[in-house]
Amino acid sequence: DVKVTQSSRYLVKRTGEKVFLECVQDMDHENMFWYRQDPGLGLRLIYFSYDVKMKEKGDIPEGYSVSREKKERFSLILESASTNQTSMYLCASRRQGGSYEQYFGPGTRLTVT
Amino acid sequence: DQQVKQNSPSLSVQEGRISILNCDYTNSMFDYFLWYKKYPAEGPTFLISISSIKDKNEDGRFTVFLNKSAKHLSLHIVPSQPGDSAVYFCAARYSGGGADGLTFGKGTHLIIQP
Repeated sequence: DVKVTQSSRYLVKRTGEKVFLECVQDMDHENMFWYRQDPGLGLRLIYFSYDVKMKEKGDIPEGYSVSREKKERFSLILESASTNQTSMYLCASRRQGGSYEQYFGPGTRLTVT
Repeated sequence: DQQVKQNSPSLSVQEGRISILNCDYTNSMFDYFLWYKKYPAEGPTFLISISSIKDKNEDGRFTVFLNKSAKHLSLHIVPSQPGDSAVYFCAARYSGGGADGLTFGKGTHLIIQP
């Protein structure tokens, strides 16, 4: 079974803090993704990585950056957290060249106060 | 501009009956469609998918139908069970290159009544 784990299930941070959200997958997948889920808005893609050190912006990259130093790990960074970044953050991975099915982690509920 | 639309925020169905969840899309460059199921406080889990070259895919109680001319797909669950109560997301993959993420609809909350 594919396993995607996220470092925290719940996180509370203050405005202006630098926040790191970590994601690890154990299936040697090439592609990894970060989404945020907000009520009434569904899931929106923040960033995507198709290989180590490679990244692409998704639909809503503003205020975020990412890091992929190892194949199994994909980090989402909020350089200076703001209250409008309070959300559920979901990491996903997918095998390159396979079906388009993505495997999701359990999510991190981030609250910025 | 919402490219994948799930126009019913919620749907209530009696246990044992058929649940039909609908999804419309606007981008003709979508070539692959997926349905995900999500319980509260958990990540979405993959349910079933369909390529744009097909019009039907079946897996146990779940069937997805695709009508390309209408840019419409639907998920049928027969028979509906209490464990099916969850939020269902329709997602589409864009074939035109760029970021290979999926475009999701806003979700439909399915409630199975006993």
